Amino acid sequence: ETGVTQSPTHLIKTRGQQVTLRCSSQSGHNTVSWYQQALGQGPQFIFQYYREEENGRGNFPPRFSGLQFPNYSSELNVNALELDDSALYLCASSSGTGGGEKTQYFGPGTRLLVL
Amino acid sequence: GENVEQHPSTLSVQEGDSAVIKCTYSDSASNYFPWYKQELGKRPQLIIDIRSNVGEKKDQRIAVTLNKTAKHFSLHITETQPEDSAVYFCAPRGDKIIFGKGTRLHILP
Repeated sequence: ETGVTQSPTHLIKTRGQQVTLRCSSQSGHNTVSWYQQALGQGPQFIFQYYREEENGRGNFPPRFSGLQFPNYSSELNVNALELDDSALYLCASSSGTGGGEKTQYFGPGTRLLVL
Repeated sequence: GENVEQHPSTLSVQEGDSAVIKCTYSDSASNYFPWYKQELGKRPQLIIDIRSNVGEKKDQRIAVTLNKTAKHFSLHITETQPEDSAVYFCAPRGDKIIFGKGTRLHILP
């Protein structure tokens, strides 16, 4: 297993609520990427943080936002939850200069259900 | 926008036979080509990757071949075993990180 951890493992919310998901990166890694994986689909890139700055974003609306802390752990915040936000949320950590070539190691994910 | 396609979407092979999954991409800036394996209810795990200056890489029963001119790369698994049953994703990386839709591999006894 990787050294990447995520919390919580499962979460149930209702439409309109807000949620915060957390990720601790592997020791020595300074880059964290977040993905949304709907059932039966591949992971979709939300955004990436490198040294506390956003370093690339996928096609997700502004209600998906994030943070990276000085210890390189990260949060994903989703406001105004919609039913379609129900998915497995994965974070992945890597090391390097924030470029695209570094091997990513995934956490176990947080399964979010929006009712 | 950039596009990534995997074929086939489902693949069934007899145990001991070989399996090949192909990934086609459109971003000419792609320079890193990983394959991930995801078992049911688990996280994606990197099984092999290749960078753009190499045409082929092998790790025991698993190999990846890259054709940058044609913009595709393939995963080859030889002597398949029951534990190879999983969903496999390609995720070529250039300006963006885009995963394919996945290939469900079934190893038949």
